[in-house]
Amino acid sequence: SQQGEEDPQALSIQEGENATMNCSYKTSINNLQWYRQNSGRGLVHLILIRSNEREKHSGRLRVTLDTSKKSSSLLITASRAADTASYFCATPFSGTYKYIFGTGTRLKVLA
Amino acid sequence: GAGVSQSPSNKVTEKGKDVELRCDPISGHTALYWYRQSLGQGLEFLIYFQGNSAPDKSGLPSDRFSAERTGGSVSTLTIQRTQQEDSAVYLCASRYTAPNTGELFFGEGSRLTVL
Repeated sequence: SQQGEEDPQALSIQEGENATMNCSYKTSINNLQWYRQNSGRGLVHLILIRSNEREKHSGRLRVTLDTSKKSSSLLITASRAADTASYFCATPFSGTYKYIFGTGTRLKVLA
Repeated sequence: GAGVSQSPSNKVTEKGKDVELRCDPISGHTALYWYRQSLGQGLEFLIYFQGNSAPDKSGLPSDRFSAERTGGSVSTLTIQRTQQEDSAVYLCASRYTAPNTGELFFGEGSRLTVL
């Protein structure tokens, strides 16, 4: 079964708006990662947040992690049409390096 | 090469035939993963290789699926007696473990269509 679940499954916003997507997971983790997938392509790593971090920034990306709720959020600020893609969270399963991916959020940014 | 290389990029086969998908990881990456992604779906973990340790095969959906990694580098995923439900994109990823950054580097995938 999937370790992570993202919501919403799909999100459509106007260019310039912020996009927020959430990820929930099941087991204890030491890090959580977010990836982006353009249609029909491989995944690209965006950001990694460790279990002892609450928030991390990278450019227009802001990630938060709440280990007590087993959840994370990815915020993309000032979105652009080029941000249109699917976004996945990934967590290592139960102390291993077996990375399990969530179901993904399909983001569409309208110009 | 600079990135993870997968071949073939597209494979169309008939039901019942065997297929082999190849992954060439980034040089020096000792961890290698195979995932399956059905149309519009998330990634399904298949198998994980780490150095010389026994692979974690817990995600392989049936005994028709097998994978090997030769010389700690190139990996081949084999699907025997393919079924229509095997149609999907098969993604390979590798990871550097010393130091362990945690980041997975993905190939562009092999799209398998079983007729």
